[in-house]
Amino acid sequence: AQSVTQLDSQVPVFEEAPVELRCNYSSSVSVYLFWYVQYPNQGLQLLLKYLSGSTLVKGINGFEAEFNKSQTSFHLRKPSVHISDTAEYFCAVTLGGYQKVTFGIGTKLQVIP
Amino acid sequence: EPEVTQTPSHQVTQMGQEVILRCVPISNHLYFYWYRQILGQKVEFLVSFYNNEISEKSEIFDDQFSVERPDGSNFTLKIRSTKLEDSAMYFCASRIDRELYEQYFGPGTRLTVT
Repeated sequence: AQSVTQLDSQVPVFEEAPVELRCNYSSSVSVYLFWYVQYPNQGLQLLLKYLSGSTLVKGINGFEAEFNKSQTSFHLRKPSVHISDTAEYFCAVTLGGYQKVTFGIGTKLQVIP
Repeated sequence: EPEVTQTPSHQVTQMGQEVILRCVPISNHLYFYWYRQILGQKVEFLVSFYNNEISEKSEIFDDQFSVERPDGSNFTLKIRSTKLEDSAMYFCASRIDRELYEQYFGPGTRLTVT
């Protein structure tokens, strides 16, 4: 079975500073990886996904993530955050096919003015 | 852009009552899912549905839960006799086909059981 670990439950960062949200996964087979964002009182929005190909994937709102198979990581980065990036970010994994998505516990990003 | 919709946005019910949460997946999608998120906890998979039958369910999805696609557009989750611990945000998701793995999530229904 697959699992996802998000190492930081909360990450405070000053506006315009860079940020990295960490995600590690565990699976005995190939996986497909996602980052979702949840703004307060809203649903889950897909930020980016890794299915295959280039290990650096770019998403919406200036976010990017790098798939590292040897370290089983899929960390999310943004070079300069804005107040509007304050939200909860979920790393997620699926085995493909019709399989379910397994989510990490989430990281709350708090951007400080 | 097409999106998954869910109704109601917030449902309050008394313990022991039946509730039906409704979802309208994106129209050409073939795979449907329900997830829940208890306050402060991770999003958990409940059930997946394809070709008018359940394809996978979690241990949370016991006999109190059922899903149905009563017509060509709606996808419902029924909780037969709600418990306090069923209070959560319930998300519906849909996916277009087997090869594209992205699931599109609805905005959620917040269920409060009193």
